[in-house]
Amino acid sequence: DAGVTQSPTHLIKTRGQQVTLRCSPKSGHDTVSWYQQALGQGPQFIFQYYEEEERQRGNFPDRFSGHQFPNYSSELNVNALLLGDSALYLCASSPTLRGGELFFGEGSRLTVL
Amino acid sequence: QQQVKQSPQSLIVQKGGISIINCAYENTAFDYFPWYQQFPGKGPALLIAIRPDVSEKKEGRFTISFNKSAKQFSLHIMDSQPGDSATYFCAASSPQGGSEKLVFGKGTKLTVNP
Repeated sequence: DAGVTQSPTHLIKTRGQQVTLRCSPKSGHDTVSWYQQALGQGPQFIFQYYEEEERQRGNFPDRFSGHQFPNYSSELNVNALLLGDSALYLCASSPTLRGGELFFGEGSRLTVL
Repeated sequence: QQQVKQSPQSLIVQKGGISIINCAYENTAFDYFPWYQQFPGKGPALLIAIRPDVSEKKEGRFTISFNKSAKQFSLHIMDSQPGDSATYFCAASSPQGGSEKLVFGKGTKLTVNP
């Protein structure tokens, strides 16, 4: 049973560029959440998708946007990259909205130069 | 504003010893308190979780103690092993956010020496 898979694992971008990160949830899960983990910090909630709609959002600017597809996979898009966007981006899935254990992927490490 | 404060930042324990990590929260609406374990290069994995209707929960060598009046909870790792060396995060969520919208502490890096 595949867990949460994320791609790419590592990427380097320059300031002002745009990036798209991808996530496939654990089999049987329909809810996807995205977190940002800066070096030496705990993960911070970005937003959550269920039934292809953004259901909750954390304190992140509109430069951060997402999408969920009919197969429950999800994308995180970040526009106009800043140096401070350098972090590990974690995708997590859960079996239903507002219920059940969160399963995290191994993350996508983004470096902004 | 940090809603979940975790201490210590780092902890070194000898094999067989007890590791204790503490967390304090501010938001009285929080009703779900999980602990996550993260190894280098991996995503966090749920270790154990508690809800405020109980004061203690034990799973194997891992125990959560919860003090609702003090708004504090802690993780105890008994008979600590070198394989327990990892970063541990406490977290909390409210009914409004559900178990998916977690507020994490800053983490504790645990090193268990052989």
